[in-house]
Amino acid sequence: KNEVEQSPQNLTAQEGEFITINCSYSVGISALHWLQQHPGGGIVSLFMLSSGKKKHGRLIATINIQEKHSSLHITASHPRDSAVYICAVQDSNYQLIWGAGTKLIIKP
Amino acid sequence: EAGVVQSPRYKIIEKKQPVAFWCNPISGHNTLYWYLQNLGQGPELLIRYENEEAVDDSQLPKDRFSAERLKGVDSTLKIQPAELGDSAVYLCASSPGASRGEQFFGPGTRLTVL
Repeated sequence: KNEVEQSPQNLTAQEGEFITINCSYSVGISALHWLQQHPGGGIVSLFMLSSGKKKHGRLIATINIQEKHSSLHITASHPRDSAVYICAVQDSNYQLIWGAGTKLIIKP
Repeated sequence: EAGVVQSPRYKIIEKKQPVAFWCNPISGHNTLYWYLQNLGQGPELLIRYENEEAVDDSQLPKDRFSAERLKGVDSTLKIQPAELGDSAVYLCASSPGASRGEQFFGPGTRLTVL
């Protein structure tokens, strides 16, 4: 079993839909990261969380430390949101343990 | 503020040739990471620097890979000699400190070994 599990693996939705991507982890962490990677592109850090909730524009990230679970939400999704979204947890040695990513496609 | 800069963006070489990648982290970031990313997979840490010291190089294949971070700023990752299986994207990231702040990634160098 992977230490960081993301779901769904693939997600296709229509423009405007509310998107949720989930991340569960089984190790102790000091922080959790959500990152975005466009095809052929570099990785962009979206959020770093250790508790609660953060919001940036149409993106919202939440974390429940007790349940070892985090969600990334996208409101009013747009085709430019199409990318791979990666959850990564930072362990006690400050190393990132990466999830497999969720490939999101938003159709116009 | 400039982000993490990497060069070259793309490199095509024949096997057994040497290759080097360069990274300039965000100004003031003490921690620098080199990752390898194969297609469809998450990045794998190769080496982490705290200033000029390599504090975690356990995943670096030392028979052919080497890295340096002179003066604790820019870093170079070298492969000599390159093998077909080294074809991947090499990512550099930096953060203010290992325990502080998120990692900021460069655009990566896509290496193709023929």
